[in-house]
Amino acid sequence: SQQGEEDPQALSIQEGENATMNCSYKTSINNLQWYRQNSGRGLVHLILIRSNEREKHSGRLRVTLDTSKKSSSLLITASRAADTASYFCATGSSGGSYIPTFGRGTSLIVHP
Amino acid sequence: GAVVSQHPSRVICKSGTSVKIECRSLDFQATTMFWYRQFPKQSLMLMATSNEGSKATYEQGVEKDKFLINHASLTLSTLTVTSAHPEDSSFYICSAREGSTNEKLFFGSGTQLSVL
Repeated sequence: SQQGEEDPQALSIQEGENATMNCSYKTSINNLQWYRQNSGRGLVHLILIRSNEREKHSGRLRVTLDTSKKSSSLLITASRAADTASYFCATGSSGGSYIPTFGRGTSLIVHP
Repeated sequence: GAVVSQHPSRVICKSGTSVKIECRSLDFQATTMFWYRQFPKQSLMLMATSNEGSKATYEQGVEKDKFLINHASLTLSTLTVTSAHPEDSSFYICSAREGSTNEKLFFGSGTQLSVL
């Protein structure tokens, strides 16, 4: 299992602005996933990007992956107050059973 | 999408008692379930991996006699916190996946345990 590390730890923006958060990891991966957690709740899967992909979109979400830098970014465009949550990345390594582990996450606050 | 039900969502107990938390996959068979513990504003700490029909695999530093995990069916895993103490107070979350190579995890809504 591998642990991704997100940054910044906290991000505060106004509604309508874009929010960008980053994830770095240390070893080779097969895929990288982003999850969202509302306060006091479980995590919700947002998007998965594979190691042979560079960019992926889902609605207002855009994820990039740079395997040479071992980093990924999650962009939320035109943010809404309802996007307020913590965002985590999790990585899956090549081969073997996938056991994701999580970093501390980025706490995003979107002010209305 | 797949649904994982976890309950109770909140439990308050006295020190020394045991607490059982259930995690059920409602519309798929979960061969593997994971149990995490989370402190406020911290990451999810993986406690153990639960495989149906076999013993759970515990992460380093997690006491298996303290945190009993049972995965007796393809849709149910339970975590029992035995002889709970105030330091066991935390947010416990389960997740499940279908198959050993399925990459997407489905999470329960978590259980807030408070030990008095």
